[in-house]
Amino acid sequence: SYELTQPPSVSVSPGQTASITCSGDELGDKYVCWYQQKPGQSPELVIYQDSKRPSGIPERFSGSSSGNTATLTISGTQAVDEGDYYCQAWDSNTGEVFGGGTKVTVL
Amino acid sequence: QITLKESGPTLVKPTQTLTLTCTFSGFSLSTSGVSVGWIRQPPGKALEWLALIYWDDDKRYSPSLKSRLTITKDTSKNQVVLTMTNMDPVDTATYYCAHHTAMVPFDYWGQGTLVTVSS
Repeated sequence: SYELTQPPSVSVSPGQTASITCSGDELGDKYVCWYQQKPGQSPELVIYQDSKRPSGIPERFSGSSSGNTATLTISGTQAVDEGDYYCQAWDSNTGEVFGGGTKVTVL
Repeated sequence: QITLKESGPTLVKPTQTLTLTCTFSGFSLSTSGVSVGWIRQPPGKALEWLALIYWDDDKRYSPSLKSRLTITKDTSKNQVVLTMTNMDPVDTATYYCAHHTAMVPFDYWGQGTLVTVSS
């Protein structure tokens, strides 16, 4: 079955850039989405089709994907950006696949 | 405005069958390209996709749970139902339903419902 791998945690200072990676076989050939989840809340889509932002998502969120790795970048990270982030992609054999999640801490 | 809400039992016993209903508004599941999915999240753990049902009644299941899952829709009631058989304590999780399209997966989520499996 297809798997997506994320680092368990990322720490960032306020105002700095946080980068969260997501790796999987030939991931660059698939569309990747990213979701933000804050404690006690439902996930929220922040990036789709690798790099597109849904309406209402701040410009500081951006995404890219190439080869076997997709990256979510948060520029000028704010305290409100703390939470868990999940990547997701579709695989023809496995279906929808989520990564294991990355906890972002703003120190 | 798209909204979804999950409903069902909060507690089920091991070996029982779980039935969850997703009631939605703001879109039609008869519209081409639209689907509804179920995702679960055990306490403190990652998201896990379970199933998808498409506007044309096509269905997709997680390979690891396929034998236990059934997803159906009632377009007239704007509802999607997920059943999971032979429940086990490891199935304890918050279960979410979400609006889905091929280009923008899971863009709207329900609030989730916590299901505990315990005798």
